[in-house]
Amino acid sequence: GESVGLHLPTLSVQEGDNSIINCAYSNSASDYFIWYKQESGKGPQFIIDIRSNMDKRQGQRVTVLLNKTVKHLSLQIAATQPGDSAVYFCAENRSGGGADGLTFGKGTHLIIQP
Amino acid sequence: NAGVTQTPKFRILKIGQSMTLQCTQDMNHNYMYWYRQDPGMGLKLIYYSVGAGITDKGEVPNGYNVSRSTTEDFPLRLELAAPSQTSVYFCAISGEISPLHFGNGTRLTVT
Repeated sequence: GESVGLHLPTLSVQEGDNSIINCAYSNSASDYFIWYKQESGKGPQFIIDIRSNMDKRQGQRVTVLLNKTVKHLSLQIAATQPGDSAVYFCAENRSGGGADGLTFGKGTHLIIQP
Repeated sequence: NAGVTQTPKFRILKIGQSMTLQCTQDMNHNYMYWYRQDPGMGLKLIYYSVGAGITDKGEVPNGYNVSRSTTEDFPLRLELAAPSQTSVYFCAISGEISPLHFGNGTRLTVT
């Protein structure tokens, strides 16, 4: 089965609020995690990544948190905008994994309410 | 700099027909990948390549073939199309330590 999954298939938030998208992983050997954003009709777009030697990483309006104790990853989007509407995927790469080592979750559809 | 270019964008095939999905990159990356994405699902790796002349199977290779004669091109071949191959196909590239960079996909329907 899948080693990476999302807690909720759909998340609806008000414009301007903060969004939190969660992801659970089961492979304790994974050492690299990535969040992708996929807009309708387009390919996944890299947002932010984090390595297992960190527990937090910040980008522009986005923060990724990694809790290795409970194998949990989250993506926080500050001040959500209409352009943030998309499906968000987490992905993990197992330790020492080669080019085939990336596993994707099923995705969470983020809906922005006006 | 287009990154990853996939053609065609859409295609409808009849069962048993064959086709080649094209993928071209202009970023000179060694690693190239083919994924399929079914509705409501994550991406599944079909085949990948770590450089020209080298290809390897991913998680779901059955029914597909690839070749990598140049750094730039990584075509995906379907020899005998089946309804189960109806999907959206994404080509991706990466450097040795960089995240995947995806094309915009080919939407394939097999009827």
